[in-house]
Amino acid sequence: GAVVSQHPSRVICKSGTSVKIECRSLDFQATTMFWYRQFPKQSLMLMATSNEGSKATYEQGVEKDKFLINHASLTLSTLTVTSAHPEDSSFYICSAPWVNTEAFFGQGTRLTVV
Amino acid sequence: AQTVTQSQPEMSVQEAETVTLSCTYDTSESDYYLFWYKQPPSRQMILVIRQEAYKQQNATENRFSVNFQKAAKSFSLKISDSQLGDAAMYFCAYRQNNAGNMLTFGGGTRLMVKP
Repeated sequence: GAVVSQHPSRVICKSGTSVKIECRSLDFQATTMFWYRQFPKQSLMLMATSNEGSKATYEQGVEKDKFLINHASLTLSTLTVTSAHPEDSSFYICSAPWVNTEAFFGQGTRLTVV
Repeated sequence: AQTVTQSQPEMSVQEAETVTLSCTYDTSESDYYLFWYKQPPSRQMILVIRQEAYKQQNATENRFSVNFQKAAKSFSLKISDSQLGDAAMYFCAYRQNNAGNMLTFGGGTRLMVKP
């Protein structure tokens, strides 16, 4: 079946630095990918929709200058958390939809900002 | 906007017993999909079962089945013969067809399985 690979699975960074998270569709092309954020014991909250060849669409309340999204190819989307702060610590998950069926999810990235 | 509600933050079931997780949703659309996803401690999202809104027959996948009541906008998940490995967070999700394929998730239900 279709697989989405997300990397890294865990990252610790210092406040003020930037972190890049990659999301790859391994055996299919994804013109759209979704980025979610999940706080402990809570649901997945959609942050933005990544579109290949065009600008990402951000949900209300998500700072587009802090969470930079680039969809460089039909198999790769990246989320860069810029000037990270401790409040950005969270679990980030990407997913790629499969036409007329379910979405496929990456393994997630646990970001800790110290 | 579509909303998905899971009214049970936590549920507990004895091993080998049956448990039902509730989900309701709100939409004005008629063409959509509903899903149940499982998130174990590894936090990898795993599809449990899928239901197309146009299908009247309830979906079934081995020990997992749904009770889809379209008019009532209800989509419950029944787990039969519960196993220790079923312990996880379960999320109900909605996706409108031909509208960007975005999923809207419920708040989740934590299922505990007692040996």
